[in-house]
Amino acid sequence: LAKTTQPISMDSYEGQEVNITCSHNNIATNDYITWYQQFPSQGPRFIIQGYKTKVTNEVASLFIPADRKSSTLSLPRVSLSDTAVYYCLVGDGAAGNKLTFGGGTRVLVKP
Amino acid sequence: NAGVTQTPKFRVLKTGQSMTLLCAQDMNHEYMYWYRQDPGMGLRLIHYSVGEGTTAKGEVPDGYNVSRLKKQNFLLGLESAAPSQTSVYFCATTGVAGYTFGSGTRLTVV
Repeated sequence: LAKTTQPISMDSYEGQEVNITCSHNNIATNDYITWYQQFPSQGPRFIIQGYKTKVTNEVASLFIPADRKSSTLSLPRVSLSDTAVYYCLVGDGAAGNKLTFGGGTRVLVKP
Repeated sequence: NAGVTQTPKFRVLKTGQSMTLLCAQDMNHEYMYWYRQDPGMGLRLIHYSVGEGTTAKGEVPDGYNVSRLKKQNFLLGLESAAPSQTSVYFCATTGVAGYTFGSGTRLTVV
């Protein structure tokens, strides 16, 4: 399983864009990159998944360079409710893949 | 649309006691998992199942047992609880939309 490295914490302010970069140098050809969000006292929640280039949904964007050794989750115009831990995971995307959760990035959005 | 339901939500055990955590899913998924999360840490896989009647060890299986007698249920057992097993336990399933997690069980062993 590919190991991921991401910052431990980030602070931001309401209305700003938050970008979290995750390194995954030994990503395999079949691996997808998936981001999850976890609020206190809740289980992680799927945000976005991508394989290459850019993926966008109603919540976030995911940017993946051509070499796929890193990825950046972009949260546009964050609000206080975006304060959470964000996890970057790499795996082959198949149902049943045992994804490994690292420590995640703790994002604090301030007023 | 319940998704993944865990019971109980909270429990306090004395060292040496046993208990079973129940996970139920209504998503008809084959794959189910049990994770534990310690304060300020990521999730660590305890055991998982790829289908009814099957189980396998994850990253931290010692001190836990599991059973998957029915497709919709995945049970996590602690035969003799230890303070080191104080944690929040999450059950999850996977499908085409990625992982779906339950709301967790907060277990304290004193």
